[in-house]
Amino acid sequence: AQTVTQSQPEMSVQEAETVTLSCTYDTSENNYYLFWYKQPPSRQMILVIRQEAYKQQNATENRFSVNFQKAAKSFSLKISDSQLGDTAKYFCAFWGSGGSNYKLTFGKGTLLTVNP
Amino acid sequence: ETGVTQTPRHLVMGMTNKKSLKCEQHLGHNAMYWYKQSAKKPLELMFVYNFKEQTENNSVPSRFSPECPNSSHLFLHLHTLQPEDSALYLCASSQDVAQPQHFGDGTRLSIL
Repeated sequence: AQTVTQSQPEMSVQEAETVTLSCTYDTSENNYYLFWYKQPPSRQMILVIRQEAYKQQNATENRFSVNFQKAAKSFSLKISDSQLGDTAKYFCAFWGSGGSNYKLTFGKGTLLTVNP
Repeated sequence: ETGVTQTPRHLVMGMTNKKSLKCEQHLGHNAMYWYKQSAKKPLELMFVYNFKEQTENNSVPSRFSPECPNSSHLFLHLHTLQPEDSALYLCASSQDVAQPQHFGDGTRLSIL
């Protein structure tokens, strides 16, 4: 079974600075997808970024980028130039194409607060 | 507007009540999901429907009964719930089961 671990329950960062959220996972599969979702206080879960395991290049979406280390099973999220609107709980999620059909496995989340 | 709408936003019910949660998606997606989000626990997948057919039941107690009458609507019927069922229930949809999921705002359920 896949597991996703987010070791930082809470983090804070000053506006305009850079912050990195960590995520590790455990799987025996070779082909899978990794996601970062964001859940602001209004509760709507929003996809931030997606990474296919077969791609060596790290995914980027504007101020959001990942550091995907397949051998180490690590998938961290870097937020550059942090904005107040980035305050949210961030969830790392794993989706496997084999034994875990149709299942997204989520970590417990990291609550990020961006301070003015 | 997320494209995935859940009603009601809040629900308080007694353990003997029967109620239903509703989810509607306007995205033309083929897969829909129910998740349970409890405090300090990871999101728990409950059910998956793909093209209206249930493809996953993640060992959910029978007091939760899903219904998917068409690919745009998903219901979660609740009956004789327990206090530990109090949580945020999230609905999601995706184009297919391998695509990113779009979430609704959730229904905050409290069991008295």
